[in-house]
Amino acid sequence: EVQLVQSGGGLVQPGGSLRLSCVGSGFTFSGHNMNWVRRTPGRGLEWISYISGGSSTIYYADSVKGRFTISRDNAKNSLYLQMNSLRGEDTAVYYCARGRSGRNYCPDSWGQGTLVTVSS
Amino acid sequence: DIQMTQSPSSLSASLGDRVTITCRASQAIDTYLNWYQQKPGKAPTLLIYDASSLQSGVPSRFSGRGSGTDFTLTVSSLQPEDFATYYCQQGHSAPLTFGPGTRVDLK
Repeated sequence: EVQLVQSGGGLVQPGGSLRLSCVGSGFTFSGHNMNWVRRTPGRGLEWISYISGGSSTIYYADSVKGRFTISRDNAKNSLYLQMNSLRGEDTAVYYCARGRSGRNYCPDSWGQGTLVTVSS
Repeated sequence: DIQMTQSPSSLSASLGDRVTITCRASQAIDTYLNWYQQKPGKAPTLLIYDASSLQSGVPSRFSGRGSGTDFTLTVSSLQPEDFATYYCQQGHSAPLTFGPGTRVDLK
């Protein structure tokens, strides 16, 4: 069974930093691209970053480019999101999501989500 | 960036109803279109990928159609567990983009 277990998150002040983690099991982690997606009440689901299986290809949404960094450690079956210079509009539930194999950029299995609240 | 729109934004339906949700892309995306269901407090779950392929474990009352810019998700006979929010997502190119969602609730 594919499982993605997330950790990290919590309350942080504007301008602060936070690191999210996601550990995968039940599949060959290095063989899949991975994504981070967030959900806010006002904006619905928003994709924020992608990393290929070997980390050679990385994409970011404009809303987080230059502030967030995606990375992975395939030896640990782990995905990370380093979030710096956090803003109020970054408040959301963050999900890691495995990419389905193939040409279609399709997140097919999702972590349980972790809440990030940016507030003073 | 490819923009995704959905209609309606919400709908009320009864058990057993046939429900269709429409999704439109701002440019042609072939069949790189995916549909998700999300319930309150839960992660999204993939229902349909490649516009019409049913994800493993998803009931056959869900179906998807379309190509290019226009797509539909149909639930043939609404069940109690289907009351949720549905999102389309284009998988053609980064940045991946989602539609704004369609909330389906009980009439």
